[in-house]
Amino acid sequence: EVQLVESGGGLAQPGGSLRLSCAASGFTFGTYWMHWVRQAPGKGLVWVSHINTIGSTTTYAESVKGRFTISRDNAKNTMYLQMNSLRPDDTAVYYCARETSFGFDPWGPGTLVTVSS
Amino acid sequence: DIQMTQSPSSLSASLGDTVTITCRASQSIGNYLNWYQQRPGKAPKLLLFTASSLQSGVPSRFSGSGSGTDFTLTIGSLQPEDFATYYCQQSHTAPPTFGQGTKVEI
Repeated sequence: EVQLVESGGGLAQPGGSLRLSCAASGFTFGTYWMHWVRQAPGKGLVWVSHINTIGSTTTYAESVKGRFTISRDNAKNTMYLQMNSLRPDDTAVYYCARETSFGFDPWGPGTLVTVSS
Repeated sequence: DIQMTQSPSSLSASLGDTVTITCRASQSIGNYLNWYQQRPGKAPKLLLFTASSLQSGVPSRFSGSGSGTDFTLTIGSLQPEDFATYYCQQSHTAPPTFGQGTKVEI
């Protein structure tokens, strides 16, 4: 079964850091581009970042550029999101998703990040 | 970035009804339009890709159409599990962008 599972969310103070992980199974992880998408409480889906198959190309939403870093370890079938200088408006459920020719599929169940003092 | 606008933001319907959700792109995206369903507390699930192609396992009561800037998602004969929020997403131009969502309520 193709599966993604996020971890690493939790409570962080403004200005703090968190590192999210996305563990993949059931497919050849290293052959797919991967994305992070977030959803603030009661709000819609917002794309955050993407990484290509070998990690040589990454892109970010303007709102996180310079603060967040996406990476991957294909040997461990895992993608990461290092989040620094966190702000209250970064509070959201963070989903990882696989990019296919047919859209984002599947998505992980998400991990909640709360930024508050 | 390409802006995606859905309408309505929410709608009320009954079991067995047919509902239509529209999605408009701020510029032409060909047929690079995907639809997702998100049930409360769950992750989004891909329903349709390239505007009208049904993802494997998705019931045939879901259908999509459109090209260019205007797209529709139609749900025929609403079932209890269809009450959810639906999002369109363009995959034509990076960054990928989503509509604001349409909540289908009983």
